[in-house]
Amino acid sequence: GQNIDQPTEMTATEGAIVQINCTYQTSGFNGLFWYQQHAGEAPTFLSYNVLDGLEEKGRFSSFLSRSKGYSYLLLKELQMKDSASYLCAVNSGAGSYQLTFGKGTKLSVIP
Amino acid sequence: EPEVTQTPSHQVTQMGQEVILRCVPISNHLYFYWYRQILGQKVEFLVSFYNNEISEKSEIFDDQFSVERPDGSNFTLKIRSTKLEDSAMYFCASREGPTGSYEQYFGPGTRLTVT
Repeated sequence: GQNIDQPTEMTATEGAIVQINCTYQTSGFNGLFWYQQHAGEAPTFLSYNVLDGLEEKGRFSSFLSRSKGYSYLLLKELQMKDSASYLCAVNSGAGSYQLTFGKGTKLSVIP
Repeated sequence: EPEVTQTPSHQVTQMGQEVILRCVPISNHLYFYWYRQILGQKVEFLVSFYNNEISEKSEIFDDQFSVERPDGSNFTLKIRSTKLEDSAMYFCASREGPTGSYEQYFGPGTRLTVT
């Protein structure tokens, strides 16, 4: 089966750093994605990790440990517009590489 | 920048009616997907489509659902006899071919309300 866990909600202060964790147990693995979703909108791509280590892209970084089934998304210099849900998704590698999503972490950035 | 488009943005229908949700994937993409998100819940995979046929489908994608690529640009999801529990946001997504990026680009979604 597929199981992806992430915290339901987090709150952080504008200008701070926040780390959103994700653990996964899937039948296969061909990469882990992080998406951002504002309320009522489509998910938008943030990052992709398939090898262990840290991928940095501006204010956003994502880390993967395949042996631990663990990833995190790091957001630096938080802005109010970063208030959104952050979705961890795994590509199991089967067939056409569909994504299995976690329930998402709703991040609230406060002044 | 190319984007996935979907129509309509909101569809209201009565239980038992048929609905067709339409998507135009990014033009050079070869993999197409439908996902749904019931309000307050996670995004769930429905079906993937490649080379003019279904590649994978989830348990949700039963005989009431079908997909079609009627021409070179559109990708449709049909629900034959809608149920109340089909009320959800339906997202279409597309991806480049096997040698391209793994990133899936999502459309803005169609909010389906079944009454």
